[in-house]
Amino acid sequence: GNSVTQMEGPVTLSEEAFLTINCTYTATGYPSLFWYVQYPGEGLQLLLKATKADDKGSNKGFEATYRKETTSFHLEKGSVQVSDSAVYFCALTSNTGNQFYFGTGTSLTVIP
Amino acid sequence: NAGVTQTPKFQVLKTGQSMTLQCAQDMNHEYMSWYRQDPGMGLRLIHYSVGAGITDQGEVPNGYNVSRSTTEDFPLRLLSAAPSQTSVYFCASSRLNAQGTGNTIYFGEGSWLTVV
Repeated sequence: GNSVTQMEGPVTLSEEAFLTINCTYTATGYPSLFWYVQYPGEGLQLLLKATKADDKGSNKGFEATYRKETTSFHLEKGSVQVSDSAVYFCALTSNTGNQFYFGTGTSLTVIP
Repeated sequence: NAGVTQTPKFQVLKTGQSMTLQCAQDMNHEYMSWYRQDPGMGLRLIHYSVGAGITDQGEVPNGYNVSRSTTEDFPLRLLSAAPSQTSVYFCASSRLNAQGTGNTIYFGEGSWLTVV
C-alpha cells in the first residue's frame, strides 16, 4: 500500500538555523512526492513537488530531492526565518490512482 | 482567484444535529475530497469523488455522507453529529490524470466544527 512517514515534531529552531524534516514513503508504482505547508488558521498550500526519481523540488529557499533508492523526500532549508513557522506535511500520489497520502505533519517554530 | 471555497468557517453543533459543509471549486477539477484534521493524526480522508455522480469512501467515512451532482460542488453532510466529529475539515480538489503523476491538490481554508 501507500503511506508516508515523517519525523515527529515539534521542531524549534533559532532564526538562520539549518532545517531538515525527514520524510520516507512506501508506494506502489512510481509516486509523485509533495511538501505542503499549513500556516496557523489556514489550509494547506503546496510548497514544492517532484514527479520522478532524482528530481529536486524547490521553492522559497526550501528544497527536497526525490530519492528512490532510499524512498525518501527530506525537506531542507539552509537558513530558516520566523515566517517559516508552520506545520509541514509530506505527501504522495501514486501513478495508479488519484488519492493523496499525507504524513502526520511536523510543526516548526522558529524563534528570533 | 477563488480556488476552493468552504463554508462555514466555524460552526458549533449540538449532539444529534445534522449539518452540511459546503465546498465549491472553480478550477474544473474532476477530483474532490474531504479530509479531517485532528491533533497528532494528520489528515484523514473521509470521502472523495472522481467526477459528477461518482463518490467513494476514504479512511474514515462513518457518520458522513457526500454527493457530487456537479463538477463544482461537493458538500459533506454530518447525519447526526457526535463529539468525536469535533475537528477541522478541509475540502480539496485536483485534476485527474491518467498517469496519476504530478497533480497538485488544492485545499480550502478549513471549517472548524465543534460538537457539544
